Amino acid sequence: QVQLEESGPGLVKPSETLSLTCTVSGVSISSTYWSWIRQPPGKGLEWIGYVFHSGSTNYNPSLKSRVTISVDTSKNQFSLKVTSVTAADTAVYYCARSTYSYGDPNWLDFWGQGTLVTVSS
Amino acid sequence: DIVMTQSPDSLAVSLGERATINCKSSQNVLYSSNHKNYLAWYQQKPGQPPKLLIYWASTRESGVPVRFSGSGSGTDFTLTISSLQAEDVAVYYCQQYYTTPYTFGQGTKLEVK
Repeated sequence: QVQLEESGPGLVKPSETLSLTCTVSGVSISSTYWSWIRQPPGKGLEWIGYVFHSGSTNYNPSLKSRVTISVDTSKNQFSLKVTSVTAADTAVYYCARSTYSYGDPNWLDFWGQGTLVTVSS
Repeated sequence: DIVMTQSPDSLAVSLGERATINCKSSQNVLYSSNHKNYLAWYQQKPGQPPKLLIYWASTRESGVPVRFSGSGSGTDFTLTISSLQAEDVAVYYCQQYYTTPYTFGQGTKLEVK
């Protein structure tokens, strides 16, 4: 049974760095791509980026300059950092598994429960 | 970026009736070399993460009831619930994975009439 669980601070001050970790169980993180997605309260979904077990990444250009996604295969975890946060970064942050075929990541088949991160002083 | 536009924004359907949600992409998401439409559908209930329903535009994920079906190709897609059940009340999203940045529709809120 594939399970993902997000962890990290629920409150971050403006201009500081948001840091979250996703712990994967039930499958090796070396098996596929892993994504972060966020959802502001009452709004839709925004893909943030993905990481492969090799460490290769792809980010949404809307956040690219502020985002880093990394992977720790020894712990079966991957992480998200967003720098210089503002109130606009307040959202539920989800980690998810991307299947892949034909060489590229595809749909998101397993999701964590999500964690609300509020940016406020 | 590929813009995904869903219609309607909200929909009220009687129990047992058909529900139809549309999704239009601003660019073609059909990959010619493998004839696959890079389009997925998700269901999100309040306080829960999205749940995958459909991928490759029309392939039902394992465990998803047969009343859910996906259709369409190129830029126009449809999610159909053949006979609405009370547990289907949710927000539904389409998503393209043809190219990054992967993008979602704005969501369609489905309620019982």
